[in-house]
Amino acid sequence: DIEMTQSPSSLSAFVGDRVTITCRTSHDISNNLAWYQQKPGKLPKLLIYGASSLQSGVPSRFSGSGFGTDFTLTISSLQSEDVATYYCLKYDTAPFTFGPGTKVD
Amino acid sequence: QVHLLQSGPEVKKPGSSVRVSCEASGISFTNYAINWVRQAPGQGLEWMGRIVPVVDVINYAGDFQGRVRITADKSTNVAYMELRSLRSEDTAVYYCAKDVGRRPEFWYFDDWGQGTLVTVSS
Repeated sequence: DIEMTQSPSSLSAFVGDRVTITCRTSHDISNNLAWYQQKPGKLPKLLIYGASSLQSGVPSRFSGSGFGTDFTLTISSLQSEDVATYYCLKYDTAPFTFGPGTKVD
Repeated sequence: QVHLLQSGPEVKKPGSSVRVSCEASGISFTNYAINWVRQAPGQGLEWMGRIVPVVDVINYAGDFQGRVRITADKSTNVAYMELRSLRSEDTAVYYCAKDVGRRPEFWYFDDWGQGTLVTVSS
């Protein structure tokens, strides 16, 4: 199975800060990567698909980039409601794999 | 409106099996795959496997190979996940999630079931 790493595992930031989370895969997955946000006790919410496409209804402060093995999720100006854990998902071929998550508070 | 309705919480003994169902409404099984994802308490998301009902393709994560069985009833739009030889570490919320389309670029998950808590305890 492909190895997925995320960094950092957690971070603390202030409202208004720019936040960057990185996801790295052990093999080239083209742009078949998605980002999810999960708040405690809630379902995962799709933010980004295709590495850089913003899901409908997601605020534009969220953006994604990357191709191949290295990907980034950026929150341009952190809001209080963005406190959550963020996961990347690779879905190029089965088996699919989630990253271990990044907790943002 | 897509809706994935999962079966209710379960309490199981170690060594037993559990089957969780996921009924899809508002969509046809012929167009999507159903994935199963679990989340242990305080832990991350773990992909378990998926089924593409229209072609009966099933994929499993290596960690669950041999212990999990995913099926689907196309006539009722219900998918099932059965996990055998349960142990305490299988205590988790189990989710079903549908993908967006048939091609790989659409295999991310956009709709999720509400989750089913499975507790394994003696």
